[in-house]
Amino acid sequence: GAVVSQHPSRVICKSGTSVKIECRSLDFQATTMFWYRQFPKQSLMLMATSNEGSKATYEQGVEKDKFLINHASLTLSTLTVTSAHPEDSSFYICSASRDLELEAFFGQGTRLTVV
Amino acid sequence: GENVEQHPSTLSVQEGDSAVIKCTYSDSASNYFPWYKQELGKRPQLIIDIRSNVGEKKDQRIAVTLNKTAKHFSLHITETQPEDSAVYFCAASNTGGFKTIFGAGTRLFVKA
Repeated sequence: GAVVSQHPSRVICKSGTSVKIECRSLDFQATTMFWYRQFPKQSLMLMATSNEGSKATYEQGVEKDKFLINHASLTLSTLTVTSAHPEDSSFYICSASRDLELEAFFGQGTRLTVV
Repeated sequence: GENVEQHPSTLSVQEGDSAVIKCTYSDSASNYFPWYKQELGKRPQLIIDIRSNVGEKKDQRIAVTLNKTAKHFSLHITETQPEDSAVYFCAASNTGGFKTIFGAGTRLFVKA
């Protein structure tokens, strides 16, 4: 299967700072990547669809100014959590699909802790 | 909006028994239904998937069924083993937007 790499796997930051998470497709090009958030013992909630070369599409209730998404190339999407608060602490995970294919490949996730 | 419901939330079975997890979806445009297994702190791993032009698919001890009319799909695990213990998610997506909507998850415990 295809490989999606996410970095960092864990990050601790102070309230008010910003954190950037990277999602890379290592062996294929992905025009579309997805960002999810997962709270403990809960499901993966889709936050936004990241489109290469254009603006991300955010799901209802997700603040686009707080969760900045940039998809500058066909192999890299970044999620920046701005002015982080403790309630932003969560497991963030990205996924990508090869063009015209349905199967999604997931990154290993990033556990963010805001203190 | 799109919604996927999953039941049960928790399932406990004896080793060797079968486990069944059921899901329903709301978006009639959905045409791809993957199932993922997620272990604690790790990424979801695809275990089986089914497309809308197929009613049933089997891979060793795992099978999935799809009823498009009723918008139901189910995961069947036979001869369960302790290593099957994990959280299982059903999901639905479509070739239009490709985004995947997940069910709430089922925590499966297989007792030895």
